[in-house]
Amino acid sequence: RKEVEQDPGPFNVPEGATVAFNCTYSNSASQSFFWYRQDCRKEPKLLMSVYSSGNEDGRFTAQLNRASQYISLLIRDSKLSDSATYLCVVSDNMDTGRRALTFGSGTRLQVQP
Amino acid sequence: DGGITQSPKYLFRKEGQNVTLSCEQNLNHDAMYWYRQDPGQGLRLIYYSQIVNDFQKGDIAEGYSVSREKKESFPLTVTSAQKNPTAFYLCATKGREGNEKLFFGSGTQLSVL
Repeated sequence: RKEVEQDPGPFNVPEGATVAFNCTYSNSASQSFFWYRQDCRKEPKLLMSVYSSGNEDGRFTAQLNRASQYISLLIRDSKLSDSATYLCVVSDNMDTGRRALTFGSGTRLQVQP
Repeated sequence: DGGITQSPKYLFRKEGQNVTLSCEQNLNHDAMYWYRQDPGQGLRLIYYSQIVNDFQKGDIAEGYSVSREKKESFPLTVTSAQKNPTAFYLCATKGREGNEKLFFGSGTQLSVL
């Protein structure tokens, strides 16, 4: 079983739609969670951290469910510019020297006009 | 302009050849990382360095080597022992302890001739 699993997609949605991605993680000791956005052949960029109580940043909402070991990302009112791959990232913080971040393989979103 | 500079953007390797990917940062960050990304895959950690003159193997270090002689620089050498080097290579840094955010360079695409 992969440490961090995501549905690869692609998710094809029309402009203005609401879309949600889930990500499951296997290490129950994981401490920190993030969503990164990656455009084709570009570097990943931090979209948002995920907090235990859930958090929102404009059209983006992230939630964490520790009991079921998954995080989610909800995008409201999708824009063409949201088309990208969304990477789920989990940190276990077990090795303080390494502070390992484990990346999911990403979910591809294609927003269509 | 602060940031991380990776060079070259594209690199071609002949069979049996060692090649070196450059990563320079002026963010004054202690921690630096090298990741490899294959198409449709997440990022996998090759090597990381928490401080000058110290570095550790990541999950897929075989066939790679690094050095950290200066805080600003963390070059990655892909040796001839790496039999499948074609991939997108990303260098990243991380700031102060407790801040998990990664800052990425723009990446190097390595291909085998």
